[in-house]
Amino acid sequence: KAGVTQTPRYLIKTRGQQVTLSCSPISGHRSVSWYQQTPGQGLQFLFEYFSETQRNKGNFPGRFSGRQFSNSRSEMNVSTLELGDSALYLCASSLLPGSNEQFFGPGTRLTVL
Amino acid sequence: AQSVSQHNHHVILSEAASLELGCNYSYGGTVNLFWYVQYPGQHLQLLLKYFSGDPLVKGIKGFEAEFIKSKFSFNLRKPSVQWSDTAEYFCAGNPWGGSQGNLIFGKGTKLSVKP
Repeated sequence: KAGVTQTPRYLIKTRGQQVTLSCSPISGHRSVSWYQQTPGQGLQFLFEYFSETQRNKGNFPGRFSGRQFSNSRSEMNVSTLELGDSALYLCASSLLPGSNEQFFGPGTRLTVL
Repeated sequence: AQSVSQHNHHVILSEAASLELGCNYSYGGTVNLFWYVQYPGQHLQLLLKYFSGDPLVKGIKGFEAEFIKSKFSFNLRKPSVQWSDTAEYFCAGNPWGGSQGNLIFGKGTKLSVKP
């Protein structure tokens, strides 16, 4: 079974731009969660999606948004990028929302210059 | 606020030494706890998990963890580490059980094993 895939793996943007990251969950998994990983703050929850609906959102500004498609694939978008948005963005999939076993993808490394 | 804390930022051990990494959680209600590992250049992988039942949980690669409710702790142990255990280890918890999927992570502990 293929694991969680994320594209692109690396991304360089400049301040003020926007970016879209993509995540394909494990086949059959219907829930997708996103996390931001930085050296200072560690891993922080961004949002959780199921059935194309956002179920939960972490404590991030409205510049961070996401969506989920009918095939469970998910995208997250960050608008008006700031230097502090430089991070590794991780996607995790699970069978159902709130399912306690989450499988993580390799992440997208975003660098904002 | 709900939180998960890890005591050690960086641990350096020699091969064959015993390992114990501390983790404490600060929340009530449902206690779902996890240890994840991130090897250099690889993605997060689940080592073990605790939902209920036997407080001593065995995971992959010889790791185990003990849930001690009175101490709000979930420490990770391994009797004899190998160089290949060099990685970053994250403790995580889910206070919401099945209703929400967001995990609260500790800041991580980097383990360096000297050959």
